[in-house]
Amino acid sequence: AQSVTQLDSHVSVSEGTPVLLRCNYSSSYSPSLFWYVQHPNKGLQLLLKYTSAATLVKGINGFEAEFKKSETSFHLTKPSAHMSDAAEYFCVVSIYGGSQGNLIFGKGTKLSVKP
Amino acid sequence: NAGVTQTPKFRVLKTGQSMTLLCAQDMNHEYMYWYRQDPGMGLRLIHYSVGEGTTAKGEVPDGYNVSRLKKQNFLLGLESAAPSQTSVYFCASSSPAGTSSTGELFFGEGSRLTVL
Repeated sequence: AQSVTQLDSHVSVSEGTPVLLRCNYSSSYSPSLFWYVQHPNKGLQLLLKYTSAATLVKGINGFEAEFKKSETSFHLTKPSAHMSDAAEYFCVVSIYGGSQGNLIFGKGTKLSVKP
Repeated sequence: NAGVTQTPKFRVLKTGQSMTLLCAQDMNHEYMYWYRQDPGMGLRLIHYSVGEGTTAKGEVPDGYNVSRLKKQNFLLGLESAAPSQTSVYFCASSSPAGTSSTGELFFGEGSRLTVL
């Protein structure tokens, strides 16, 4: 069965320090993987997407993620956190190779950034 | 550029009342979706549509109905609201993933529903 697990429900970092948000997936097929960000009282916005091209994917606002098939992971990183990065982040796996009716969302990781 | 617009943004219902949430998109997307978001649960798919006149059940369809009479609109109905349907509802749309599209989902800003 396909699934996605975000390993931390809450991560707190200081401004200017690195960010690591962890995501593991389980899929019988070659997956497409996404990271979305949700700022308070807003909808979700796509940060980046992996679709079997380059394993290191660069997204908006300095975020990137690396697809590691051997570890079934798709962790999100950023070298230096900014206050505006405080939000909730969702890892999403698309099963059946990208059928849009079959997206599975992780339960989210809330990122806090301390000044 | 409006993108995905949801109405209403807030609503309070009594148990047993009915209501309809409207989602409109101006991006000519084929696919549309309704999700609900609850604390600690992430987003769960209620119903979706891959084209005008077609709908399909998602993960949590019970208690909801949908219609896609026009390509740009996707309606979510609650026939008899229950307190368990208190949630934030998100509509999204996308084009099919392919050479000209990443398959990215575009979300509305949400509709907060409280059922007393």
